[in-house]
This record gives sequence, structure tokens and C-alpha cells, in this order.
Amino acid sequence: AQRVTQPEKLLSVFKGAPVELKCNYSYSGSPELFWYVQYSRQRLQLLLRHISRESIKGFTADLNKGETSFHLKKPFAQEEDSAMYYCALSGRGAQKLVFGQGTRLTINP
Amino acid sequence: GAVVSQHPSWVICKSGTSVKIECRSLDFQATTMFWYRQFPKQSLMLMATSNEGSKATYEQGVEKDKFLINHASLTLSTLTVTSAHPEDSSFYICGGREAVGELFFGEGSRLTVL
Repeated sequence: AQRVTQPEKLLSVFKGAPVELKCNYSYSGSPELFWYVQYSRQRLQLLLRHISRESIKGFTADLNKGETSFHLKKPFAQEEDSAMYYCALSGRGAQKLVFGQGTRLTINP
Repeated sequence: GAVVSQHPSWVICKSGTSVKIECRSLDFQATTMFWYRQFPKQSLMLMATSNEGSKATYEQGVEKDKFLINHASLTLSTLTVTSAHPEDSSFYICGGREAVGELFFGEGSRLTVL
């Protein structure tokens, strides 16, 4: 079974401070991990995926298979980063995408 | 990025009636569509996965006779909530994907059953 856990429902940091949103997963096969973001009154959109190893809007995430984690990080938070962030998992070659509970990130000025 | 459009974005209906929500991929062919349900302040719960031209695969606990999903074309999938009751009130979100590409989401549809 696929399971994604985001332990923090709410996270609040000051502008310019580092941000880390935690994500742990459970999956017996080879996972594909994603981070999705939902800004206020907008639809869900893909932020990044572990396969591409990109840095989007200053965010990075590294897949740690030993710790079964895929934490999202940004060294210097900006106010426009305030949003709802979801970690998601899909099995390799599998179709369905399972989401974590989401973390609401608030960046204080 | 590609666009997925959902309609209606907001619907209110009486208990016992059926409601249809449409999900369209506007600039790509969505071979797979996913339907999610989101309760207030909770995560997205996958309801079913549908492949064009095939029957949908429902997640455990989701009543397939209650939530009818049709994916008759590569650009359109529909979710029909049959004999809706207040407990079906929720935010329903669809996502479309072309082959194994990125999953694009619709704006969501808020259903309120009186």
C-alpha cells in the first residue's frame, strides 16, 4: 500500500528564514515522489518531482530511501511562498497518485 | 502547462437528486483521469482512476454505484454523484494525465447537498 505522511499541518516561518516541509512515505516498490503546491484560490500545481532533480522557485527536495523521506527545503523563504503544500507518491509504472495530508506554510513578513 | 477544466465549479442540489461534474483536458489528451475528494482542511482522497474507454478502478470504500465515472473520450471524464445526500457534500477535484506525463488538476467542484 502507498502511504504519505506530512507530520506538520501548519508551519509558520519568518521571511528570509529557511523552510523545511517534512514528508515521509511508505511503499514497498520503487516510488516516484512529488511536491504539489496550492496557492490561495488556485488549483493544485506540480512544484517538483524527485526524478527531475530540479530546483523550482528556490525549492529542492531529495529522496532519501533509507529514511523514506522526501523533505522540501528552501534556504530563504519569501512571502509569496505562503501556500498549501502536498507531498505525493506514485509507484513506478503505477498510475495512481496518493497525497499526504498537506502542510499550510505561512511566511510572516 | 496543460489545462484541465472542471464544470461546474460550484453546485447546490437537493437531497436525492443526481449531479454530474465534468472534467475536460483542453490542450492534451488525458489517457488517464483521476477523481479526488477533499473534505474541509483535509487532504485529497483518491476516489477512482479511469482510463479512456475502460471502466474506472475505484479505491477501497468508494461506492461505484454511488459515484459513476465515465471516461468516454480522451478529453472528457464525468463524475456523477447519484442520489446525493448531505454527506456527499465535498470538494471534488479531477486530474488528467497524458500517458506517463505530468498530472494536471482542474479547479475543483464544490458540491453542497441540502
